[in-house]
Amino acid sequence: AQSVSQHNHHVILSEAASLELGCNYSYGGTVNLFWYVQYPGQHLQLLLKYFSGDPLVKGIKGFEAEFIKSKFSFNLRKPSVQWSDTAEYFCAVTAFSGGYNKLIFGAGTRLAVHP
Amino acid sequence: ETGVTQSPTHLIKTRGQQVTLRCSSQSGHNTVSWYQQALGQGPQFIFQYYREEENGRGNFPPRFSGLQFPNYSSELNVNALELDDSALYLCASSSKGSSGASSYNEQFFGPGTRLTVL
Repeated sequence: AQSVSQHNHHVILSEAASLELGCNYSYGGTVNLFWYVQYPGQHLQLLLKYFSGDPLVKGIKGFEAEFIKSKFSFNLRKPSVQWSDTAEYFCAVTAFSGGYNKLIFGAGTRLAVHP
Repeated sequence: ETGVTQSPTHLIKTRGQQVTLRCSSQSGHNTVSWYQQALGQGPQFIFQYYREEENGRGNFPPRFSGLQFPNYSSELNVNALELDDSALYLCASSSKGSSGASSYNEQFFGPGTRLTVL
C-alpha cells in the first residue's frame, strides 16, 4: 500500500535559518509528488509539485524540493525562512487505482519560525 | 482563494446524530474528493465523485456517504456519529478529462468544515 512518511512533526527555527523537511514515500509505480502548506486558519495550498523531468522543483515563496528516486524521497527546502512561513506542511503522493486518483498525505510537519 | 467553498464552517453534534456537509466546486471542475483531517494528522481520502457517481473510496465505513449534483457540487453525509469522527473535513475539486485517471489533475481544496462530536 502507498504511504508517505514525514520525519519531523515539529520544527522550530529562527528567521533567516535554512529549512529542510524530510519526506519519504512508498509506492511502486510512477509517482506525482506534492508539498502542500496550511497556514493558520487558511485552506490547504499547493507549494510545489513534481510530475517528471528535472528532479529539482521550484515552488512558490522561495521553496524548492528535490526528488531522489533511489531514496524514495522528496525533501522540501528553503534557504532562509521568514516568520510568515509559520504553518503546517504536508507531503503527498498521488495513487492511481481503479479509474481514479487520490492524494495520500503524510502526517504533516508543524513549522514555527521565531523573529 | 481556490473558488472551492464549504459549509458550514463549524459544526457541533452529539454521538449518534447525523450530519451533512456541503461543498461547491471551482468553476469548470467536474470531480469532487472528500478528505478527513483528524487533529495532528494529514488528510485521509474518504471518496471521490465524478459525474454524480462515487468513483473511488478510501478506508471509511458505509455510514460515510455522499452525493454529487448536476452542477458538480457535493455533499458528505455521516450517520451514527462517533467521537472519532471529530475532524476537519476537506473538499477538493478537480477536472477529470477524457485522458482519464492516469493523468493527474490538480485538486484545489476548500477551507474545510470543522466537525466536533460530543
